[in-house]
Amino acid sequence: NAGVTQTPKFRVLKTGQSMTLLCAQDMNHEYMYWYRQDPGMGLRLIHYSVGEGTTAKGEVPDGYNVSRLKKQNFLLGLESAAPSQTSVYFCASSSRSRKDEAFFGQGTRLTVV
Amino acid sequence: AQSVTQPDIHITVSEGASLELRCNYSYGATPYLFWYVQSPGQGLQLLLKYFSGDTLVQGIKGFEAEFKRSQSSFNLRKPSVHWSDAAEYFCAVSWGDYKLSFGAGTTVTVRA
Repeated sequence: NAGVTQTPKFRVLKTGQSMTLLCAQDMNHEYMYWYRQDPGMGLRLIHYSVGEGTTAKGEVPDGYNVSRLKKQNFLLGLESAAPSQTSVYFCASSSRSRKDEAFFGQGTRLTVV
Repeated sequence: AQSVTQPDIHITVSEGASLELRCNYSYGATPYLFWYVQSPGQGLQLLLKYFSGDTLVQGIKGFEAEFKRSQSSFNLRKPSVHWSDAAEYFCAVSWGDYKLSFGAGTTVTVRA
């Protein structure tokens, strides 16, 4: 019973490098989300998806792109990493019937130097 | 703008003492309300939720929360804390649009 799985768990990037964070869920959830967590600011929504092939911007989308090619996967991309993107990233998913009850992954700690 | 406020950044409590964490939200409509807990280095675990009905809700690990519409509040309580309750606690709110808005979090330290 894996739930929501994020890879990688840790990563260090140099400024300007690119990378993709992968989120996979095995609960057949329609909705998926990417959040970032910064000290004193709680979690802020970056992008979200309400179904396969659809994505939308959240509260802090700049500098990020996402794709939802398969229902179970939600990818978060950083095309040109900046130190301001140093953060802990969380993926979450929820079902259409219980759309407000989200299940979270363990997080990815990203450092941009 | 919709917002969620957790007024206490850090709370220290003795083991066995009671704990109350405050949460207030803005906006007129009644939202869906949640409390999550995050242990160090871990993801978020749902403690409890309120959608409708009885305003006092019970959750896991002995936690409960009370929704007070008149105060726009959803405070979390535990009668007797254990050392394992040391963690960061987040209040979250959804206004039915499947997106959660989080408070800044309250860090709880438990002293022996």
